[in-house]
Amino acid sequence: GENVEQHPSTLSVQEGDSAVIKCTYSDSASNYFPWYKQELGKRPQLIIDIRSNVGEKKDQRIAVTLNKTAKHFSLHITETQPEDSAVYFCAAGGYSTLTFGKGTMLLVSP
Amino acid sequence: EAQVTQNPRYLITVTGKKLTVTCSQNMNHEYMSWYRQDPGLGLRQIYYSMNVEVTDKGDVPEGYKVSRKEKRNFPLILESPSPNQTSLYFCASSTSQGSQPQHFGDGTRLSIL
Repeated sequence: GENVEQHPSTLSVQEGDSAVIKCTYSDSASNYFPWYKQELGKRPQLIIDIRSNVGEKKDQRIAVTLNKTAKHFSLHITETQPEDSAVYFCAAGGYSTLTFGKGTMLLVSP
Repeated sequence: EAQVTQNPRYLITVTGKKLTVTCSQNMNHEYMSWYRQDPGLGLRQIYYSMNVEVTDKGDVPEGYKVSRKEKRNFPLILESPSPNQTSLYFCASSTSQGSQPQHFGDGTRLSIL
């Protein structure tokens, strides 16, 4: 089955800095790569996703890049704000299942 | 409002006492799934369903059952709960298949003593 590795497990940045979270996946058949943000005590919420036929996607301050050859994808957050503090999960999916990484706790200090 | 509703939100119970966590969605989604979330382990898929009467195992199905008799409902059944099933559970749904944006419920925190 699919295996998703996510790094780092924790990331502390100053407000205004950029943050990068990286994931690797094992199954070359995976074709869907979403990122979820989970605030404390709340449900995961989709923030951005990318499909295997696209190399990069951007939505305001967040962007995701995908390297299919190397089987890795990354989340980039620019101009971080305290409200970006949360746990972020990457995932890799095929037709029927979605496999999640173990999460990155992002702490943005004012 | 489009939503995935789980009940109960919190439950404390004892080993061996059968329990059911309900999940209902109002978006006419074909695909539904159950995950458990444990500290340091992320979200792990328990079971999923591609449509009515079609269910399959995820990564951690042991000790759980599911059914999909109606499109909107996907209950998770613990026939004989054990303490290692203490966890935070999420139900999710999406259109057509797993490789689509999933909408999560608010979660059910189960404690099994």
